[in-house]
Parts: sequence; structure tokens; C-alpha cells
Amino acid sequence: EVQLVESGGGLVQPGGSLRLSCVVSGFTFSSNDMHWVRQVTGKGLEWVAGIGTTGDTYYVGSGRGRFIISRENAKNSFYLQMNSLGGEDTGVYYCASGMSGWIHWGQGTLVTVSS
Amino acid sequence: QSVLTQPPSASGTPGQRVTVSCSGSYSNIGRENVYWYQHLPGAAPRLLIHTDNQRPSGVPDRFSGSKSGTSASLAISGLRSEDEADYYCAAWDASLRGHVFGSGTKVTVL
Repeated sequence: EVQLVESGGGLVQPGGSLRLSCVVSGFTFSSNDMHWVRQVTGKGLEWVAGIGTTGDTYYVGSGRGRFIISRENAKNSFYLQMNSLGGEDTGVYYCASGMSGWIHWGQGTLVTVSS
Repeated sequence: QSVLTQPPSASGTPGQRVTVSCSGSYSNIGRENVYWYQHLPGAAPRLLIHTDNQRPSGVPDRFSGSKSGTSASLAISGLRSEDEADYYCAAWDASLRGHVFGSGTKVTVL
């Protein structure tokens, strides 16, 4: 059974940082691109960042320079380091993967940016 | 403002056919695969359609996808109460060098 489990969400002050983690099981992690997708409170889905099998990284415009995605194949895990957080980053963050479309998703972790 | 444009809402009665449109440009829908996701409140999104018109295993054939030029559509036939959800199109955008989602369409079963 494929499982993606996020952790690391929580309450952070504006301007602060947070590191999200996603642990994967049930498929060959090292052979798959991995992504972070979020739903900012009250808005639609937004792709945040992706990392390829060779470590190439891609970011949404609003995340470039603030977010860093990384992976650790030996631990079947990947991460999203988020810096300079603002209220517009509050929402549920999902990790996702799939060879053709994102068929595997985590349950989501809530990030709240507030003072 | 989303790169891919969808109508905010669509509705139908049980058994009807509902269509959700997704309008983009050459840099995304025009040259890349289109995907459709269903999102229920409190749940993870679910992949309904990949590669423009292909259904993953387990997705009912009531759901179908199509694409023409820089627009794509999701059709739900034989509408059921459990289809009430938000639906999003998505594609890679070659100009932005990132994935983009549509603005989302809330489908209501009357």
C-alpha cells in the first residue's frame, strides 16, 4: 500500500520559518518526482514546488527565493523548507507524487502563519 | 489570478451530464498534458484524468476528459450526489517552468 505522510506543520509567526517533511512508502521513492501542493485558506489548489529524481528543483513564482525543496532517497523522504512566511502562506500543504499525474497524496499538514 | 481559467460553479440534477471547462494558452494546455483532480473538503485531492483523457484505475467511466487547442474539458455523466466537490484542471507551463492549477469549479448536485 502506498503511503505519504506529512509532518512539520504548525503555528509560526510572520517572517518565521518552518520545515515540512513527507515520508513515503509502498513505491520506489528514488524513481519518482515529488511535489508539494497547497490550498491556501479560502482559495484553490496551488502547486508549490517539485523535485526530480536527479535533484532538479522547480518552484512556484511566489516561493522562489523563500522555499527550498530537497529529498533524501536513503530515508524515502523529501522536505520543504519555508522561510520568510507570511499570512498568504497559511493553508494545508500536501505532498504528492505519480508517474503520470499526482495519483498519490498525503493527508495534508496545516501551516498557520499568525502572530 | 490563475493561469488556467475555470468557471467558478456548475450544477446539475442526479443523472444529468455536467461539463467543466478549462482555458489556458499554448505554453500550458496547448503543448502539455492536462490533468483533472477532484477535491472534497477535508480530503486529499484525487486524480481523475491524466494525459488529457486517460482514467486511472478505479475512476468510474462516468468521468471523461477532452482537449482541443488551448482548452480542455471534464465531463461527468450520470451525475451522482457523491460527485459534489471542487474540480481542478492542471498542466505544466513551459513559460513559467512550473505546474499550474485552474481556478477550480464547484460542482453542485441539485
